[in-house]
Amino acid sequence: KQEVTQIPAALSVPEGENLVLNCSFTDSAIYNLQWFRQDPGKGLTSLLLIQSSQREQTSGRLNASLDKSSGRSTLYIAASQPGDSATYLCAVNNAGNNRKLIWGLGTSLAVNP
Amino acid sequence: DGGITQSPKYLFRKEGQNVTLSCEQNLNHDAMYWYRQDPGQGLRLIYYSQIVNDFQKGDIAEGYSVSREKKESFPLTVTSAQKNPTAFYLCASSIDWTGGKAFFGQGTRLTVV
Repeated sequence: KQEVTQIPAALSVPEGENLVLNCSFTDSAIYNLQWFRQDPGKGLTSLLLIQSSQREQTSGRLNASLDKSSGRSTLYIAASQPGDSATYLCAVNNAGNNRKLIWGLGTSLAVNP
Repeated sequence: DGGITQSPKYLFRKEGQNVTLSCEQNLNHDAMYWYRQDPGQGLRLIYYSQIVNDFQKGDIAEGYSVSREKKESFPLTVTSAQKNPTAFYLCASSIDWTGGKAFFGQGTRLTVV
């Protein structure tokens, strides 16, 4: 059974730091991996989607990498800003016919001015 | 603008009442999903629909019902059989069932009073 873990659960950094959020999964047979952002009391916003055949995806200051064989993905945020404060969620889509997203619990990020 | 609209944003239910949460999308997506989010738990899948006039139970379907009579609409009814309905409910869609990028609505917070 696929399980997704995100470490750390919470992170507080000063503005301007580069930071890394981690996501690990137990079954490497995935179709894709998706990173989302959630602001308090709001819905989720898709940030990056990495197909299983890809190693990384970039969008602006965000870079997500995928190492399928080791069951790991990282979300790198460059030059963090207070507006980056949110919860970041990782979700895995398994390969095969059962294409349901399996979710981690998220990392709550606070970027302090 | 294309997107997913959930309504209402806040909903209060008395014990023993059924309530219906609305989810509408204008993205022309085939697949739609309902999730429940509780503090300290990952998103849990309630129901999903791969195509109009079809839907499947997710991991926690007991006490919930859905319909998919139109491609754009996927309403969720929380019945009186749901013992602990107070939660944040999120509707999502993707272009098809194969696991593409997921788009989310802004959520409905349901509280039992």
